[in-house]
Amino acid sequence: AQSVTQPDIHITVSEGASLELRCNYSYGATPYLFWYVQSPGQGLQLLLKYFSGDTLVQGIKGFEAEFKRSQSSFNLRKPSVHWSDAAEYFCAVEDSGYALNFGKGTSLLVTP
Amino acid sequence: GAVVSQHPSRVICKSGTSVKIECRSLDFQATTMFWYRQFPKQSLMLMATSNEGSKATYEQGVEKDKFLINHASLTLSTLTVTSAHPEDSSFYICSARGAGILTDTQYFGPGTRLTVL
Repeated sequence: AQSVTQPDIHITVSEGASLELRCNYSYGATPYLFWYVQSPGQGLQLLLKYFSGDTLVQGIKGFEAEFKRSQSSFNLRKPSVHWSDAAEYFCAVEDSGYALNFGKGTSLLVTP
Repeated sequence: GAVVSQHPSRVICKSGTSVKIECRSLDFQATTMFWYRQFPKQSLMLMATSNEGSKATYEQGVEKDKFLINHASLTLSTLTVTSAHPEDSSFYICSARGAGILTDTQYFGPGTRLTVL
């Protein structure tokens, strides 16, 4: 079965610093991978997705992610974090029925 | 485009009552809608998948008689929590998957916070 692991429960970065959130997946075929962001008490907003093709995917809000099949990873990056980026980030893989299997999430705290 | 709404955003009810949550795709037709449940500081867990005009498919461990799902049209799905109990208190989020150019992404609603007293 497909699964997603986000190893970091919490991450703290200073505003202006770079960010990398880790995501590892377990899936037999080529995965459809997603990163979503959730602000407190809110729904999920899609940051970016990977289906095929170029392994470096650009998303909204200055985020990008790189698909590495050899490492079964799909890490999310941003070169310079803003205070408004503080939120919960979820990596997800789509299953055969189009539902999403989510990782446990990484909570990002941005300090001044 | 691709906006999904949920109503109500918050609901508080007494134990034993039923609560209906609506999920609407506002500007596209949703061939498939999904219902997720999220406990505090935890991830989203899929409850069920519904396709318009057919019965919902429930995940293992989800009581279909307790969580009634109706997907009556291509823009509306409802989740009814019957005889709610305090352990049903949670954040319920729906998502919709469209047709055509919207077929490859799920669009999420803002969620409904259910509190059962």
